[in-house]
Amino acid sequence: EAGVAQSPRYKIIEKRQSVAFWCNPISGHATLYWYQQILGQGPKLLIQFQNNGVVDDSQLPKDRFSAERLKGVDSTLKIQPAKLEDSAVYLCASSFASTGPSTDTQYFGPGTRLTVL
Amino acid sequence: EDKVVQSPLSLVVHEGDTVTLNCSYEVTNFRSLLWYKQEKKAPTFLFMLTSSGIEKKSGRLSSILDKKELFSILNITATQTGDSAIYLCAVVTYSWGKLQFGAGTQVVVTP
Repeated sequence: EAGVAQSPRYKIIEKRQSVAFWCNPISGHATLYWYQQILGQGPKLLIQFQNNGVVDDSQLPKDRFSAERLKGVDSTLKIQPAKLEDSAVYLCASSFASTGPSTDTQYFGPGTRLTVL
Repeated sequence: EDKVVQSPLSLVVHEGDTVTLNCSYEVTNFRSLLWYKQEKKAPTFLFMLTSSGIEKKSGRLSSILDKKELFSILNITATQTGDSAIYLCAVVTYSWGKLQFGAGTQVVVTP
């Protein structure tokens, strides 16, 4: 079974530039998550999609971050404009539709390491 | 506010030692607790715990949950250098299956 795919793996940009990340979840997984992991911390949820609808974006800095999941499969996360504090690893994860404990396991992609100079 | 706290933050052990990692939580509407191992890439799933007192085992790793005292432990016996990683604990609540992660415990196993 193919895992969660993400690209690019690494990105270096200057502050105020824009950047976009792509994620392809495991086939059949209705729920997709984007996390931000700053060095030395656990992942922090940015946004959660169920199919192509947003169910939680309470921690997404909406003035600069946006995300979409067209057709309920692939997703993109964009930052515009980037700030120094956005330097982090951006992880995408997917799971079956979250209907109970048996579907709670999330599977993570390799992540994109973003460095903002 | 929901909280997940892991301890210790880091530790260094010798190959063959046994390691015990702790995860305590304060959340509303607890549903399950998950353990992940993170090396230089994505977290990989280890265990999911939903019931108190039932040990989950996989090789040299085991984990147990105490829902009364609100904590879980992850044990690694006969450690090997390949066990060096960050171990993350995450709690799922009933609000759309959201994962709340702890900061992780960095384990370094020296030869």
